[in-house]
Formats: sequence, structure tokens, C-alpha cells
Amino acid sequence: AQKITQTQPGMFVQEKEAVTLDCTYDTSDQSYGLFWYKQPSSGEMIFLIYQGSYDEQNATEGRYSLNFQKARKSANLVISASQLGDSAMYFCAMRESPNYGGSQGNLIFGKGTKLSVKP
Amino acid sequence: GAGVSQTPSNKVTEKGKYVELRCDPISGHTALYWYRQSLGQGPEFLIYFQGTGAADDSGLPNDRFFAVRPEGSVSTLKIQRTERGDSAVYLCASSLGRGPLHFGNGTRLTVT
Repeated sequence: AQKITQTQPGMFVQEKEAVTLDCTYDTSDQSYGLFWYKQPSSGEMIFLIYQGSYDEQNATEGRYSLNFQKARKSANLVISASQLGDSAMYFCAMRESPNYGGSQGNLIFGKGTKLSVKP
Repeated sequence: GAGVSQTPSNKVTEKGKYVELRCDPISGHTALYWYRQSLGQGPEFLIYFQGTGAADDSGLPNDRFFAVRPEGSVSTLKIQRTERGDSAVYLCASSLGRGPLHFGNGTRLTVT
């Protein structure tokens, strides 16, 4: 079974509007971390935002916020006031960590969502 | 400071040849990861080092793939008897503690 599911292969948004990129995950662990990365056409992977499973508040970083709904196992990325430079692939990823504070573990990535911002 | 450095940025090789891909992580980062990304896909985990030892190599597709990190810093991914299906971008990342992974720009491997 897929651990990370991103159901939107492609999304369009008008410049200056907000957009939500969906991500659901599957884990039986109590301790885990959720990450979002941006990959422009240049190919670099840029870390955007992180949410820990025990964090009570949704993470925010500038125009990025993570809508974390633990019971639904969803971790959607919200980008506010979209800019042309936001056009890129966006990947949701999860790190499982059965022993909190122990092994760092690797990240498991979804297939990504291609966001296109229209002027 | 310097980010994760990967060399070469591009590698073209003939089917059956041996290749080595190098990764120089961020100084002080104890964890190092190798991923492979095919066109239109998300990164696929290959192997993860904690210090000098491979903490998890469950993602290596077969015994043609091998990676080392002898001094706990620079790592080399080695692919023997390359096949056309090995063509992909190979990404290296490093992290400190439980923080996010910081990726290099990748090596684009093309097997002809």
C-alpha cells in the first residue's frame, strides 16, 4: 500500500490566489514527521515546511501552511497569495520513527503534484 | 554555508559499464541518504547512512548497486554492469538529527 498519496497530478491557480495541495498518508506509528518539498524545473529539492505528529498547532512558514488533520491522516499544503515563481512540482513526504528521538529514518515521498500559476 | 554537493552533474555511460557517483554532504550532518528519481516520479529511497554504517539499505534494487561512506562524510554510490533502466537522476541528501533532508542538485545518469 502507498504510504503517501497525492491525488492531484496537476493543479492550476491564478496568481495572488490561495491553493491547497492534498496529501494523505498511511502509518501505524504514533511518532512520525511530515514534510513538503518544492522541486522547480531546475531539479533542486527545496524544503518548505515540517509537521511533527505530536505538534498540536499547524505548521506555518511564510506563505506556506500545513493543514494537519491527524484523525484523517491528511497533511495538505496551503500556499497563500500564489506567485509565478511557485510553479513547480510539490512533494509530500513522511518519516516514520517508532522510537521518538531514536533512528532518524528515511523519507518516503509521494508522486507529487505539478502546480502551475497563471498570470 | 555550502550545501550538499554531487558530482558529476551529468554522466553518460554505455550499458554494462561501471559508474561511481559522489556526494559531499553538509559539514556536520551525520545522516546521508541516496534517492533515485525517474521522470515524473517522486524520489525513491535507496540507502541511508548514519555515520559510516548503512542504517537502512532496503531500497537498493539489486546487488549491482552499492554505496559506501568510509569516513562518515563523503559517500559514493557505485553501480556495476549498468542497464538502460538505471537511467535516472540520483539525489543525495544529508540531515542533522531529526531535521529535514537537504538535497544536492543530483547526478543525471544516462545509460546508452
